[in-house]
Amino acid sequence: QKEVEQDPGPLSVPEGAIVSLNCTYSNSAFQYFMWYRQYSRKGPELLMYTYSSGNKEDGRFTAQVDKSSKYISLFIRDSQPSDSATYLCAFPTQGGSEKLVFGKGTKLTVNP
Amino acid sequence: KAGVTQTPRYLIKTRGQQVTLSCSPISGHRSVSWYQQTPGQGLQFLFEYFSETQRNKGNFPGRFSGRQFSNSRSEMNVSTLELGDSALYLCASSLGPGGGYTFGSGTRLTVV
Repeated sequence: QKEVEQDPGPLSVPEGAIVSLNCTYSNSAFQYFMWYRQYSRKGPELLMYTYSSGNKEDGRFTAQVDKSSKYISLFIRDSQPSDSATYLCAFPTQGGSEKLVFGKGTKLTVNP
Repeated sequence: KAGVTQTPRYLIKTRGQQVTLSCSPISGHRSVSWYQQTPGQGLQFLFEYFSETQRNKGNFPGRFSGRQFSNSRSEMNVSTLELGDSALYLCASSLGPGGGYTFGSGTRLTVV
C-alpha cells in the first residue's frame, strides 16, 4: 500500500465551480497536513497547513482532515482560472525531521 | 524579501558526467531541503540540512550528495549521471524544524 494516494486527474471545471481535491494516507504517524499549489514551471507554494481533524478555512480554500479515515480534502469555492495548477498534499514526517511525503498531485484546470 | 534562489534554472548534461546545483535560502532561514520531481514518481525527498548538518536523507543512491555552508546556502551534487536523473530539482528553506517550507523554482536537469 502506498503511503499517500492522490488522484492525478486531470480535473477540468468551469469558472465558479466548487472543487474538491482529496488524498488518503496510510501512515498513522502523520500528524500534520499540508496542501501545496504548483504552477507550471514554478516550485510548490504552501496553501494550507493544519494539525487537527476538522476544517480550516482561508478565503476561498477549506482544508478538511479526517484522521480516523486517514483522509484529507481541499475545497476551493468560486474557482477562478488563476486556480489552474497542480495541487499536492504533503505530510511532514515525525522525529524532528522536516522530510515531506507528497502525493503525486492533481492537475486542475478552471475554464473561463 | 527575496525568495529561495536556485541556479542554474536549466542544465543539460551528458550521461556519466557530474553536476552541482546551488540553492540560496531566504535570508534568516537555516533549514534547507532538496527534492527531486519527476512525472512518474512525483516529489521525492533527497536530503535536509540544518546549521550545516545533514539531518535526514531520502532513499537515493550515494551518487546524490549535498552540503550546507555556514551562510545556509546549499549545494547538491550528482555524480555519474544517468538518464533517469533527468528531473526538476527543488530546494526549499525554512526558519527551522516545524516551520513551513518555501520552495524555489527549481533546476531542470536533462541528462542526454
